[in-house]
Amino acid sequence: EIVMTQSPLFLPVTPGEPASISCRSSQSLLHTDGYTYVDWYLQKPGQSPQLLIYLGSTRASGVPDRFSGSGSGTDFKLEITRVEADDVGIYYCMQSLHIPLTFGGGTKVDIK
Amino acid sequence: QITLKESGPTLVKPTETLTLTCTFSGLSVSTSGLGVGWIRQPPGKALEYVALIYWDDDRRYSPALRSRLSIIRDTSRNHVVLTMTNLDPADTGTYYCVYRVGGRDGYTWGRGTRVTVSS
Repeated sequence: EIVMTQSPLFLPVTPGEPASISCRSSQSLLHTDGYTYVDWYLQKPGQSPQLLIYLGSTRASGVPDRFSGSGSGTDFKLEITRVEADDVGIYYCMQSLHIPLTFGGGTKVDIK
Repeated sequence: QITLKESGPTLVKPTETLTLTCTFSGLSVSTSGLGVGWIRQPPGKALEYVALIYWDDDRRYSPALRSRLSIIRDTSRNHVVLTMTNLDPADTGTYYCVYRVGGRDGYTWGRGTRVTVSS
């Protein structure tokens, strides 16, 4: 199975400042169809995960443009241009190129 | 508006069988391109894939759990049922139903159902 490795584990952030989370996969997530099958999810405290980004860089419906995804092959990044208090929670990357779907270990984002 | 709701027991004894149901409203489980699955999360831990079933009844199980799992679609009741046998306390956690239509969009998650395995 594909192993997803996230960093950092914890990310204290200051409102208004940028934040960045990295995710690395054990093999390329580029499909022969030309798409890269990595998603980003945010699990807010006490809630289920919600989709932020799919196909590496496409924002899900309703997701603010403060969030952006980038990367290719095996290295990916989620960036928040200006963190807001509502952005706290655990961020997960997930690959859907191959079954089993596999997840990074999560990055806990909290306000300093 | 599409909604999904997980249901099942909150407490199960070790060695017993768990049956979880994910019921859809506003979306038919026969929709072409639909994939419905289960992801679980042990308390305080990361997310773990369990199983997926597609609109054409293609089933994909976690290799680690395969021997204990069954997933089916019930089109008459518009729901997906996951069965897990021989439960262990390590199976304790929140079980989320997820779905996506088409092979590229990300997954939408249900609110989850909490399962405790304890005698």
